[in-house]
Order: sequence, then C-alpha cells, then structure tokens
Amino acid sequence: NAGVMQNPRHLVRRRGQEARLRCSPMKGHSHVYWYRQLPEEGLKFMVYLQKENIIDESGMPKERFSAEFPKEGPSILRIQQVVRGDSAAYFCASSSTSGENTGELFFGEGSRLTVL
Amino acid sequence: AQSVTQLGSHVSVSEGALVLLRCNYSSSVPPYLFWYVQYPNQGLQLLLKYTTGATLVKGINGFEAEFKKSETSFHLTKPSAHMSDAAEYFCAVSRSGSARQLTFGSGTQLTVLP
Repeated sequence: NAGVMQNPRHLVRRRGQEARLRCSPMKGHSHVYWYRQLPEEGLKFMVYLQKENIIDESGMPKERFSAEFPKEGPSILRIQQVVRGDSAAYFCASSSTSGENTGELFFGEGSRLTVL
Repeated sequence: AQSVTQLGSHVSVSEGALVLLRCNYSSSVPPYLFWYVQYPNQGLQLLLKYTTGATLVKGINGFEAEFKKSETSFHLTKPSAHMSDAAEYFCAVSRSGSARQLTFGSGTQLTVLP
C-alpha cells in the first residue's frame, strides 16, 4: 500500500482558493482512480484515468473539478474556487490492467482537504 | 444500480472474542464483493474478495466472509480478535468486477478492548 503516494496529506484552503492533490501510482500501474470520502459516508468514485486519458469521469462534479494523468509525473486532482462542502478525504488508488478487471485496488493514505 | 449497507458504524469486541461485521448489498446482477481494511493513517488494503465459486472466502489475517445470495449478505468474521485488528473496515460491491464500478459502504470502525 505504501506504493501509492499521495501529497499533501493535509491541505487547508480558504473559500475561493484552489486545491491541487497529487498521486503517484504504484510502480508498474497504469490505472489511477480518485475517490472522495465525505464525513460519515463511504468512498465515492470520482474519476478513472490512464496515462494521458480520462476514461470515466462520471463521478466528478461538473464544475470546478478536473483531473489529469500526464505522460510524465503524478496524477493531479484540481479543485478550483473551493467551497466548504469540498472538505473531505480524497483517496487515490491504482491498479494493474488485470486489477482493473478484478476490482483489486491499491490505495494511498489520502489527502484531507479542509476548507475554512 | 448497486448499493452497500454496513450495519453498525462502530463495533467493539474484547480481545479473543468473535468479530462479526455486517454487510448487505443490492445489485441487479450477480455481484463481485470485497472487504477492504484501513489501518490508522494508512490507505485501504484489500482484505478479501468474492467473485465466483466457493461462497466462503478466506482473506488475510484470519478473516473470512461468506456470500449468502438468499440474504444478500457478505458478513466479515474472525474467530478471535487481536488488538492489531483495530481498524476501519469497508465493504464494497461491483457489478462487473471492474475497479471503476466499485461502490463502497460507509465503513465500520472496529475497536478491540483488552
């Protein structure tokens, strides 16, 4: 599990600022997923990416949220003009190609966003 | 549509006692079922999964779960709790087994008392 690296672990932003969360998948994994966990709720799927491609963003809010997974470097989840309701834990997970087919994900430790 | 309900957001057991964490699901097709565990300050780890075949699934650290289609349940058990089992446990369901279609429950925090 330590193979999926997320940073920052904790991020505090004021309303209207931008939040950028980074995720480096496990070595050899080309599939990246972002999940959001609101207080007292389960993890909710946001977006699934492969290198340079967004495959499924059906769980992403239509506005202010975007994600990328460039050819080089980590995947980034970007939240513009944050609001208090964006306060949550954001988890990144990665899988191998076979793992994508079997649901076997490896998660990072999460980034906890607090919006003041 | 698919959903997962975990009964009991907090469960406490004594060390050495039986651990039972409940999970019920709804799915329009035969489901793939998972239990993930999150230890303090760590990411989620796959504990065990059911895809097809034997309905009793064994996972890591002595945990097991039984798929009961008639009860739409996938409860997690361990005969004897250990202090190191204290963690949050998440049940998840997928229609197709695909990671992108995982739906998680809200989690159960397990406390193990000395």
